[in-house]
Amino acid sequence: QAQLEQSGDEVKKPGASVKVSCKASGYSFHGYYIQWVRQVPGQGLEWVGRINTNSGSINFAPKFQGRVTLTRDTSITTAFLELSSLTNDDTALYYCARDCGGMCRYYHYGMDVWGQGTRVTV
Amino acid sequence: EIVLTQSPGTLSLSPGERATLSCRASQSVSRSFLAWYQQKPGQAPRLLIHGASSRATGTPDRFSGSGSGTDFTLTISRLEPEDFAVYYCQQFGSSRTAFGQGTKVEIK
Repeated sequence: QAQLEQSGDEVKKPGASVKVSCKASGYSFHGYYIQWVRQVPGQGLEWVGRINTNSGSINFAPKFQGRVTLTRDTSITTAFLELSSLTNDDTALYYCARDCGGMCRYYHYGMDVWGQGTRVTV
Repeated sequence: EIVLTQSPGTLSLSPGERATLSCRASQSVSRSFLAWYQQKPGQAPRLLIHGASSRATGTPDRFSGSGSGTDFTLTISRLEPEDFAVYYCQQFGSSRTAFGQGTKVEIK
């Protein structure tokens, strides 16, 4: 079945960068976008950005302008989130999730598969 | 930018009771792009409802979604012990997505 497996927890110092991976299996990687969502401890879900795994085009929330890089490596069906200039406010659980993307221009089926989350502590 | 506001922040109910959760958008959104998620402590969110009212695979039929325009509702007809959790609405835009701040359903 479709699965997303994320890389392990990270501890970083302020000002550093972190790179989180999200490996997809059990479905066609090209057919879906990967969304990134974070959750600060005790708070709600916050959208970070998304990548079209086919074209590589990205969209991201304005607050992460200039700090977030979303990439993918189709040969290993893995998406990556890199966040730079980390501050204490970036301490959170980072999730990746599958999104039907381009297949859902007129109806969206939701983010139906989620990774287990990667804890980033700054 | 669309903002989703969920209410109430916390809902205190007993098992067997009916839960009604609200999600209000700052501007009209298409039903086709509105989803609901359930999140339990220590777990990733789980998709419950897509297209405002269609249950995702595995979602029990005690969960139902409704609404249109700016007002959407998630209803749990009779709360089971496993339903006590936090619920989020989500709107999918053409280039971004937004979540509501969540409603916690707790045991009274």
